[in-house]
Amino acid sequence: EVQLVESGGDLVQPGGSLRLSCVVSGFGVRVNYMTWVRQAPGKGLEWVSVVYGDGRRYYADSVKGRFTISRDSSENTLSLQMTSLRAEDTAIYYCCSGLFCDLWGQGTRVTVSS
Amino acid sequence: DIVMTQSSDSLAVSLGERATINCKSSQSVLYSSDNKNYLAWFQQKPGQPPQLLIYWASTRKSGVPDRFSGSGSGTDFTLTIRSLQAEDAAIYYCLQYYDPPFTFGPGTRVAI
Repeated sequence: EVQLVESGGDLVQPGGSLRLSCVVSGFGVRVNYMTWVRQAPGKGLEWVSVVYGDGRRYYADSVKGRFTISRDSSENTLSLQMTSLRAEDTAIYYCCSGLFCDLWGQGTRVTVSS
Repeated sequence: DIVMTQSSDSLAVSLGERATINCKSSQSVLYSSDNKNYLAWFQQKPGQPPQLLIYWASTRKSGVPDRFSGSGSGTDFTLTIRSLQAEDAAIYYCLQYYDPPFTFGPGTRVAI
């Protein structure tokens, strides 16, 4: 079965770090575009980061320099390392696959608060 | 960065009527080398992740009802829901994937 399952969301203090994971089933994490999208409470969708099949990585201006996207072929997992977290990073984080996000996970909740 | 706008925050449509949602990009998302518009539409219902409806501006994803259609080119795009059903109440987002960072529109809530 083709699916994406996110994990790693938690309550973290401002300035802290967190690593999100997205386990991929049914296809290889390296053969496809893989993306992180977030949604703050009551707000719209915000595109966060993408890694292309050839390894190129891009970030939204709001997270550039603080977040790092990566892939692990051995565990077929997409990750998002988040540092210097701010209150405005509070959101549900979704991973999705494909250039236009044709498959989504259920999301993992990140709360940044003291 | 490409900025995406949607003309309405929300609209109310009666059952069986047509809903039209507009999306505009700050620059063209038509890629000349393949003549494709790098624009997608998503539907999101409360408590659920978004679902892809349309890609390449007008290609319906397999399994999406044919009452959903996409049109437009360059900078102006439209999602049309013909004969609105109760289950179509949701928020609809456009996404440009032409040039990273990719960007979503702010969303349009469709209420019955």
